[in-house]
Amino acid sequence: DAGITQSPRHKVTETGTPVTLRCHQTENHRYMYWYRQDPGHGLRLIHYSYGVKDTDKGEVSDGYSVSRSKTEDFLLTLESATSSQTSVYFCAISPRQASYEQYFGPGTRLTVT
Amino acid sequence: GENVEQHPSTLSVQEGDSAVIKCTYSDSASNYFPWYKQELGKRPQLIIDIRSNVGEKKDQRIAVTLNKTAKHFSLHITETQPEDSAVYFCAASTNAGGTSYGKLTFGQGTILTVHP
Repeated sequence: DAGITQSPRHKVTETGTPVTLRCHQTENHRYMYWYRQDPGHGLRLIHYSYGVKDTDKGEVSDGYSVSRSKTEDFLLTLESATSSQTSVYFCAISPRQASYEQYFGPGTRLTVT
Repeated sequence: GENVEQHPSTLSVQEGDSAVIKCTYSDSASNYFPWYKQELGKRPQLIIDIRSNVGEKKDQRIAVTLNKTAKHFSLHITETQPEDSAVYFCAASTNAGGTSYGKLTFGQGTILTVHP
């Protein structure tokens, strides 16, 4: 499982509330990613990080922010959750830039009511 | 940006038959093509990948082929078994401006069902 954990694994929240999802890795990988998975859309990149405090936007970044203050933790924040952000969120790591291989965490199912 | 199209969206085969899933990509600079398998309620798992300097790669019952000229790549599963039933995703990664952080663009997925 590449030493990746996500928390919480399930969350139900109300529209307009802030939500933070955590991705934690134990193997000191430099590259980390946040994806969302929705039926018919596959996996879409939200944000990624290439080091502590180094982050950039992905394909569907609107409404999301990220932070990485430590190598092992990559946080995804929904500042004001909307129903369109109901999804399954996966964190991923890449052990080596050159390889491009990415390995996924177990996922967080988020429901915004 | 890169666009990846995957077909078919669903595929049903009998145990022992072969299954083929095809993907096309838009950016000729893409140079890395992984395939992921995702069982219901689980995380996507990397099952095989290929780089643009290779035309074919095999790993036991699965193989991937790449046609750079036509910008498409395919996953082949032979002697399918019920445990092969899952959703399969293709993806493509592109170098951008000389710096690349392995950003993957995924296809929409194929639901493979293998009937005993």
